[in-house]
Amino acid sequence: GEDVEQSLFLSVREGDSSVINCTYTDSSSTYLYWYKQEPGAGLQLLTYIFSNMDMKQDQRLTVLLNKKDKHLSLRIADTQTGDSAIYFCAEYLGDDKIIFGKGTRLHILP
Amino acid sequence: DAGVTQSPTHLIKTRGQQVTLRCSPKSGHDTVSWYQQALGQGPQFIFQYYEEEERQRGNFPDRFSGHQFPNYSSELNVNALLLGDSALYLCASRGDSRPYNEQFFGPGTRLTVL
Repeated sequence: GEDVEQSLFLSVREGDSSVINCTYTDSSSTYLYWYKQEPGAGLQLLTYIFSNMDMKQDQRLTVLLNKKDKHLSLRIADTQTGDSAIYFCAEYLGDDKIIFGKGTRLHILP
Repeated sequence: DAGVTQSPTHLIKTRGQQVTLRCSPKSGHDTVSWYQQALGQGPQFIFQYYEEEERQRGNFPDRFSGHQFPNYSSELNVNALLLGDSALYLCASRGDSRPYNEQFFGPGTRLTVL
C-alpha cells in the first residue's frame, strides 16, 4: 500500500545541520516533496525533487533521493531558530493524489 | 495577491451536528482540494474540485461532501459529526502553471467536536 514514514522528532543545535529522513513505498511516485508547517499556518512547499534525480540543492536546503531504497532526506544547513517547525515528506502519485508522512517536529536548541 | 483563505479559523460543534467550512483559492487557481489533518498526523486527502465537480476522492465517508462555485471558491460540508472528525481542515489550490503540481495551502480551520 501507499505509505510515507518519517521520524517524529529531531532536536538540533542552532548553527548545526539538520537531517530529516523519510521512506516511502510507492515506486511510481513522480515527485517527492518537503513541506514545512509552522504553528497556526498552513503547509508551505519547501522544495521538491523529480523521481529521476538523485540530489537537489536550493540555498540552505539539500534533498537526497535514493530511489532504490525509497529513501528521501532533507538537509538544512546552518539551522536557525526560524527553522523550528514540522516538516512533512510527501509523494505525488498522479491525478493530484499526494500522500503525506506524519511529520517530523524540528526543535532548535540554543 | 491574497493566498488561499479559509473561514472560520476555529469552530466548535457537538456530535451529530453539521458543519460547513469555506475556502477561497489563490488568485488564478481553479482547482481546490480539501485535506483533514488529525492531531499528530499528516494531512489526508478528502476530495478535489475542478469546474464545479468532484474530480477525485480519498477514503472518506459520504458524510463528507463539498461544492465548488463559479468563482472557484469551495465549501466542505460534514454531516452527523463524530468525535473523530475533530481535526485541522486544510484547503489547497493550484493552477496549471507549475509542472510539479505545487499546491498552495490555506491556514486551515480547526474543528473541535464535543
